[in-house]
Amino acid sequence: GQNIDQPTEMTATEGAIVQINCTYQTSGFNGLFWYQQHAGEAPTFLSYNVLDGLEEKGRFSSFLSRSKGYSYLLLKELQMKDSASYLCAVSDSNYQLIWGAGTKLIIKP
Amino acid sequence: GAVVSQHPSRVICKSGTSVKIECRSLDFQATTMFWYRQFPKQSLMLMATSNEGSKATYEQGVEKDKFLINHASLTLSTLTVTSAHPEDSSFYICSATGTGGSSPLHFGNGTRLTVT
Repeated sequence: GQNIDQPTEMTATEGAIVQINCTYQTSGFNGLFWYQQHAGEAPTFLSYNVLDGLEEKGRFSSFLSRSKGYSYLLLKELQMKDSASYLCAVSDSNYQLIWGAGTKLIIKP
Repeated sequence: GAVVSQHPSRVICKSGTSVKIECRSLDFQATTMFWYRQFPKQSLMLMATSNEGSKATYEQGVEKDKFLINHASLTLSTLTVTSAHPEDSSFYICSATGTGGSSPLHFGNGTRLTVT
């Protein structure tokens, strides 16, 4: 079957760096997405990786290793507003999105 | 950037009535639109996928006669919750994508439905 795994919850300190991991097993691969979702709101797009390597976008970076079925989202200089759930999703061979359950990130002052 | 507008953002209705939720892509043609529901503290659950001009494809366990989806144009999809019951109370989110598998999903702001 198809499966996306990411930690349920993580805690980090304001100003620090946190890495949220995502591993996947899917039938085919057409890219991996990261979304941020604040409580009670719809998800917003953060990043897309389809080739191996690191994509940097401001304080957020996303890494992909297709051979390992692995990605991570790296958040630097954490701010309180970064407290949210982070969703990993993989586009499979049919371009259907397979969603992880999300990682709730708690930022402490 | 791409914008998806979802309306209404919040609705309260009585049990047995029907509610229509609209999802519009404002600056791109949405060949495919998705409807999700999300219960508190849970992940997104895909309800159905709709392609413009064709019938929606429903996920297992989702009643197509209860959740009517219409995708009449490349910019508009609607979800109608028919004969709503309190257990249908949830956060409903639409999303849309353009052509190509690498197009990210753009989400509407969601509709919080409360059935009393």
